[in-house]
Amino acid sequence: DTEVTQTPKHLVMGMTNKKSLKCEQHMGHRAMYWYKQKAKKPPELMFVYSYEKLSINESVPSRFSPECPNSSLLNLHLHALQPEDSALYLCASSYRGGLNTEAFFGQGTRLTVV
Amino acid sequence: GQNIDQPTEMTATEGAIVQINCTYQTSGFNGLFWYQQHAGEAPTFLSYNVLDGLEEKGRFSSFLSRSKGYSYLLLKELQMKDSASYLCAVRSIPGGSYIPTFGRGTSLIVHP
Repeated sequence: DTEVTQTPKHLVMGMTNKKSLKCEQHMGHRAMYWYKQKAKKPPELMFVYSYEKLSINESVPSRFSPECPNSSLLNLHLHALQPEDSALYLCASSYRGGLNTEAFFGQGTRLTVV
Repeated sequence: GQNIDQPTEMTATEGAIVQINCTYQTSGFNGLFWYQQHAGEAPTFLSYNVLDGLEEKGRFSSFLSRSKGYSYLLLKELQMKDSASYLCAVRSIPGGSYIPTFGRGTSLIVHP
């Protein structure tokens, strides 16, 4: 199993809503990432979890709140988002160490804030 | 911080060979990845280089020169389905975490 599964695939939410994005992998990866990607732009790192602990927060606004309940799951809680937060949100995972440790990406959640 | 540079767009003909370059500046370099991304889809892994030299995998090859901060992705026998964005990603290890950071991507258009 070399899959990273993200749900939902599409999400439309209002600026006052609270929603969560979910990510799951069963490859034994201990590093998990959230990226945000706008159209025609590269993925931009938001958060990194290493061994279920938040190790990197790239100055992301507090309306985005990550959570890593266990080594297989990564959530991104959304609250009071703005229309400019509309983007493709990508989850990725990788082994923390080792040489050939590429990041595997999920298919993403396409988020639209109205 | 990191600075990763690659051309914005390239065009090539079906059956030809194309080379996509990537230059980078980073501290704590720990490998360079190439990803392919079709519009609306997630990036998919193509190759990984951490030592100098050429890595070949079928129609795709990737080269790295750490001293020059330079890599290229070589695509041979181009097919129409190779039209996609190609992302160069550099991994560094600030504070012990392995962080891949992406360049802006090169949009490759393959025409008949």
